[in-house]
Amino acid sequence: QQQVKQSPQSLIVQKGGISIINCAYENTAFDYFPWYQQFPGKGPALLIAIRPDVSEKKEGRFTISFNKSAKQFSLHIMDSQPGDSATYFCAASIGGGSYIPTFGRGTSLIVHP
Amino acid sequence: GAGVSQSPSNKVTEKGKDVELRCDPISGHTALYWYRQSLGQGLEFLIYFQGNSAPDKSGLPSDRFSAERTGGSVSTLTIQRTQQEDSAVYLCASSLRVAGETQYFGPGTRLLVL
Repeated sequence: QQQVKQSPQSLIVQKGGISIINCAYENTAFDYFPWYQQFPGKGPALLIAIRPDVSEKKEGRFTISFNKSAKQFSLHIMDSQPGDSATYFCAASIGGGSYIPTFGRGTSLIVHP
Repeated sequence: GAGVSQSPSNKVTEKGKDVELRCDPISGHTALYWYRQSLGQGLEFLIYFQGNSAPDKSGLPSDRFSAERTGGSVSTLTIQRTQQEDSAVYLCASSLRVAGETQYFGPGTRLLVL
């Protein structure tokens, strides 16, 4: 499976700041890009997802920006809150098929009050 | 059920013992996945079941690991002759039909091999 490269590995921001996590992929067949949020002691949960027919998707304070030509996508958390402190995973897959989603290594986000 | 459930939530075992981890997927979900997450690490794919198709076992790290899914629902991951390096959180996820759709994860089983 193709690797999805996620950065940074860890991120510390102040309350109210913008958190930005980046992912890059290689397989141009990928057409589904979800982000998962994982709190300590819990399993990952879908946060927001995008398909390559749009360049941006926003849900509340969370926005995915997608750059198809650069094969990159990023998660932006506006007005970051201490409750956003969690590990975030990006993933990429081919929708509707048998391709197992490829996950990034995760980003540990800490938002200081 | 309301979500994916896993049992036990925690398991402590001695090196060399066998362990069985259980996953109950969301009712109606035909795709089921097992992942391993080591401390501070990402998600390592282990095995994927889709309906009645042969499972994708390409992620199993050794022949000590096996999994089965009975009746297209409950799945059991078995680790034989456990080693200390098997200590990790084992996560189960399910999706409605096939890989490539949103996955719903269980809370995981935290395995500690002494």
